[in-house]
Amino acid sequence: QQQVKQSPQSLIVQKGGISIINCAYENTAFDYFPWYQQFPGKGPALLIAIRPDVSEKKEGRFTISFNKSAKQFSLHIMDSQPGDSATYFCAASWDKLVFGAGTILRVKS
Amino acid sequence: DAGVIQSPRHEVTEMGQEVTLRCKPISGHDYLFWYRQTMMRGLELLIYFNNNVPIDDSGMPEDRFSAKMPNASFSTLKIQPSEPRDSAVYFCASSPGLAMADEQFFGPGTRLTVL
Repeated sequence: QQQVKQSPQSLIVQKGGISIINCAYENTAFDYFPWYQQFPGKGPALLIAIRPDVSEKKEGRFTISFNKSAKQFSLHIMDSQPGDSATYFCAASWDKLVFGAGTILRVKS
Repeated sequence: DAGVIQSPRHEVTEMGQEVTLRCKPISGHDYLFWYRQTMMRGLELLIYFNNNVPIDDSGMPEDRFSAKMPNASFSTLKIQPSEPRDSAVYFCASSPGLAMADEQFFGPGTRLTVL
């Protein structure tokens, strides 16, 4: 049973554009929503995370928007750069992490 | 700290052979996780340990898979006998705890190919 649904599967964005990745969850017990970034040949690494009592969190060019009533959250990458090209995973947790399927982002220069 | 260390980085084996994957967590981390990553199923949690004790192995696919953590600095994931459908990248991760602030740090993974 997939508890965290992520879309799109892949995304191509021009340099300087905005990348948007969306996730939806089912289990209302989740209380922590991180995003992980994975480069080829590497393990995932924590990028940014949010708690459900906050509607938005921004760190540099990366912003998480959280809609608790809709059980949805999204990652926005502003001014996308070729170095942002990677696979992005949303996740949800109450004790262990449940990952979305991942989004392969390619930023064209 | 060197981060989470996994070995080998690549493993190619024949169907039916035993495979052992190894992990050294970050020193001081009480939790250790084993994940499997495939194109079809994404990142799946197989099992996790707290202070060397297995807490949740509900993600282990079947009895062919087993995991041990004999001490705080070493864990193994064993597949016996291996099958082609076990081909995947296996990640080990560790964290200080399960609280929100306790980030999971992933190793570089072991790419397993079963022929």
